[in-house]
Amino acid sequence: DAKTTQPNSMESNEEEPVHLPCNHSTISGTDYIHWYRQLPSQGPEYVIHGLTSNVNNRMASLAIAEDRKSSTLILHRATLRDAAVYYCILLVGTALIFGKGTTLSVSS
Amino acid sequence: NAGVTQTPKFRVLKTGQSMTLLCAQDMNHEYMYWYRQDPGMGLRLIHYSVGEGTTAKGEVPDGYNVSRLKKQNFLLGLESAAPSQTSVYFCASSTLREYTDTQYFGPGTRLTVL
Repeated sequence: DAKTTQPNSMESNEEEPVHLPCNHSTISGTDYIHWYRQLPSQGPEYVIHGLTSNVNNRMASLAIAEDRKSSTLILHRATLRDAAVYYCILLVGTALIFGKGTTLSVSS
Repeated sequence: NAGVTQTPKFRVLKTGQSMTLLCAQDMNHEYMYWYRQDPGMGLRLIHYSVGEGTTAKGEVPDGYNVSRLKKQNFLLGLESAAPSQTSVYFCASSTLREYTDTQYFGPGTRLTVL
């Protein structure tokens, strides 16, 4: 299984940028990097995905290392609503393989 | 659009009882999934379906059965519930595009087996 490694937890202050790292040293050439997040007591929701190039959307940015062995999810200005578990996932076929993710805490 | 809905939201069963969880989606998605999430853990795939009338096993299929008689519905059945099946169950759906498809998740069903 294509696996990812993330820190268990991170803390941030409101209005500050947050960089959530993910290592995926065994990634193959066709594995897309997906990020989902799970707010308390809710189902996961899609955040962003990419293959080789950096990606931006209204929620976040995804920076992918040149060798693709790591990536970073960037929340440009954290809000209290961004407090969640963030999962970095390599999509293998159609199945999402979830790890434990990174629990992000945001303080006001 | 309601997206992905799940019924019921909560359920308490006794060991040995059976039940069916219903997942419905109104996005005309081909793929549907059932996951379980135990406390402090990520989601694990139970079964999935790539289209009406098809089902396939995921990572943890034992003790569960599924059916996809209609494109918009995906049912998860527990024939004889066990305490180990106490968990939060999430349904998801996605389009046909592999590698890039986005999965849309329902709000979850919290099941307790006594």
